[in-house]
Amino acid sequence: DAKTTQPPSMDCAEGRAANLPCNHSTISGNEYVYWYRQIHSQGPQYIIHGLKNNETNEMASLIITEDRKSSTLILPHATLRDTAVYYCIVGAVNNNDMRFGAGTRLTVKP
Amino acid sequence: DAGITQSPRHKVTETGTPVTLRCHQTENHRYMYWYRQDPGHGLRLIHYSYGVKDTDKGEVSDGYSVSRSKTEDFLLTLESATSSQTSVYFCAISEEDRGGKLFFGSGTQLSVL
Repeated sequence: DAKTTQPPSMDCAEGRAANLPCNHSTISGNEYVYWYRQIHSQGPQYIIHGLKNNETNEMASLIITEDRKSSTLILPHATLRDTAVYYCIVGAVNNNDMRFGAGTRLTVKP
Repeated sequence: DAGITQSPRHKVTETGTPVTLRCHQTENHRYMYWYRQDPGHGLRLIHYSYGVKDTDKGEVSDGYSVSRSKTEDFLLTLESATSSQTSVYFCAISEEDRGGKLFFGSGTQLSVL
């Protein structure tokens, strides 16, 4: 029973920004938002995480709303290699049972 | 990439036989996890370890046991494999106090016939 809601699938044109939404209306004050992706049959790959401030790294940006009930992962210039299932997860930093839901299947098209 | 090696990568076995999957890390991380991934269920936690000889159950632990005699190795054992345990098994590691930031291995595809 994942605590997040994501659209099952999205498409994005190559070179454009991919904006993946996630709703987490029951998030607690000590819970972070984590994003992972899984390319084909590989192991999931950590992308980024945040608590309440927006975050950016070499892979993506994470925008968290002020009320923390939703967030958006942004891939600024999507490539074909970004085609994957993207998982949004919430959990405390000492949570040892991170629940992965179904995620969003992002397809980047030429 | 984090130094995580899972072995074997693929295994086919028969119902009722014991199976052991190995996860080896070179990062000296305290926490190690075993997940299984099945269509329609996503990733589910089987067991995890928070130190040598310290383990705990996850969401779907029935039919599985684990052992961690060294920091670098975390073993998952199916004492008597069943067809319902056909799955892809992923090992993950995390640093202490970084429970949500997991690094995953490449997975083991297990088929129980």
